[in-house]
Amino acid sequence: GESVGLHLPTLSVQEGDNSIINCAYSNSASDYFIWYKQESGKGPQFIIDIRSNMDKRQGQRVTVLLNKTVKHLSLQIAATQPGDSAVYFCAETMTNDYKLSFGAGTTVTVRA
Amino acid sequence: DAGITQSPRYKITETGRQVTLMCHQTWSHSYMFWYRQDLGHGLRLIYYSAAADITDKGEVSDGYVVSRSKTENFPLTLESATRSQTSVYFCASSLAGGPPNEQFFGPGTRLTVL
Repeated sequence: GESVGLHLPTLSVQEGDNSIINCAYSNSASDYFIWYKQESGKGPQFIIDIRSNMDKRQGQRVTVLLNKTVKHLSLQIAATQPGDSAVYFCAETMTNDYKLSFGAGTTVTVRA
Repeated sequence: DAGITQSPRYKITETGRQVTLMCHQTWSHSYMFWYRQDLGHGLRLIYYSAAADITDKGEVSDGYVVSRSKTENFPLTLESATRSQTSVYFCASSLAGGPPNEQFFGPGTRLTVL
């Protein structure tokens, strides 16, 4: 089975609201986590990453939270925009390991 | 800057036929990867290559063959296509293996095996 999974396969959010996408992982040896965004008809695109020695990392309108105790990470998108409509994947790996384990993805739909 | 490209973007083939998916990157990245994406499975690694003439299997390599004679190209061949290989295939590259080196993905090839 997959070691990385998502709690909800779909998320519908009102434009301007904040979005929260959750992800669970099971490999306690993983020390590096990445969020990808995949728009329709395109390949995944890197959004933000976080190492296991951090609990929180912020980017432009995005924040990733990592809770190692319960093996959970989340992606928060502030002031969600129509362009944020996409499938979001979390992936786990270990530093200097090329292998990424992807979750199944959460589809985010932004309502106008 | 072309980045990473894949061809063809769409392909329909028949069971038993050989088909090759092409991947080309212009960054001179050492590492290249092939993934397949199926509904409910996310992306799964088929093969990877650490450099020209160095390749290794991923988690779903059965039925696939790769080669890498040049750094910039990484073709994926389905020797005898099966319906279970209907999928979207993504090629990716990274400067080196593993984080913090980011993997950059191509636009994908949608393959249908009839």
